[in-house]
Amino acid sequence: QVMLAESGGGLVKPGESLRLSCVVSGFTFSDFYMSWFRRAPGKGLEWVAYISPSGLSDFYSGSVKGRFTVSRDNAQNSFSLEMSSLRVEDTATYYCARARDYYDNNGYSPFDLWGRGTLVFVSS
Amino acid sequence: QIMLTQPPSASASLGAAVNLTCSLNSGHSGYAVAWHQHQSEKGPRFLLRINPDGSHIKGDGIPDRFSASSSGGERHLTISRLQSEDEADYYCQTWGTGFVVFGGGTKLTVL
Repeated sequence: QVMLAESGGGLVKPGESLRLSCVVSGFTFSDFYMSWFRRAPGKGLEWVAYISPSGLSDFYSGSVKGRFTVSRDNAQNSFSLEMSSLRVEDTATYYCARARDYYDNNGYSPFDLWGRGTLVFVSS
Repeated sequence: QIMLTQPPSASASLGAAVNLTCSLNSGHSGYAVAWHQHQSEKGPRFLLRINPDGSHIKGDGIPDRFSASSSGGERHLTISRLQSEDEADYYCQTWGTGFVVFGGGTKLTVL
């Protein structure tokens, strides 16, 4: 079955760290970009970070750059988000998603599969 | 810098059709856009990608009630024969090297 499943969310205090994981199944992991997104209460979807299929390139939104690190292990089909110096405004449901490593004259392939999310709550 | 603009809300009656619009800012009308549906308490769901020429590809299992079109810098999602389960937030999104951009989302209410 083709699926993504996030885990690792929870309640933490401001300044603390947390590691989220995304388990993948049913597809060739190394053929896909992987990304983290989030949705804060009452807000819209927001991109957090993504990593290239090889793992050699990673990119971050300005709101998390320097605090969050995305990583992947293609041998283990694993994808993670290490979050440090967490802030109250990082409170959100976090989702992982994939996009095929394919580019045509209309741009990159879309993020075509999402997980169900894991909730991160940052509060003192 | 690319920006996507969506009206915050839309509504239509059960069984009717609704058109949701995503506007690309000036200078970026050549971008394809993906549409995602986000229902409460679920993960987002990829619906389709709409290209500047109006061609589009759908996600797996997306019914024919969902279609798309393009006009200049606007990317439209049309949902026909509305069902109660179509009530959700709809987001347009595009991405490239080093960036991923969402519109603010449109909350669709099915009356």
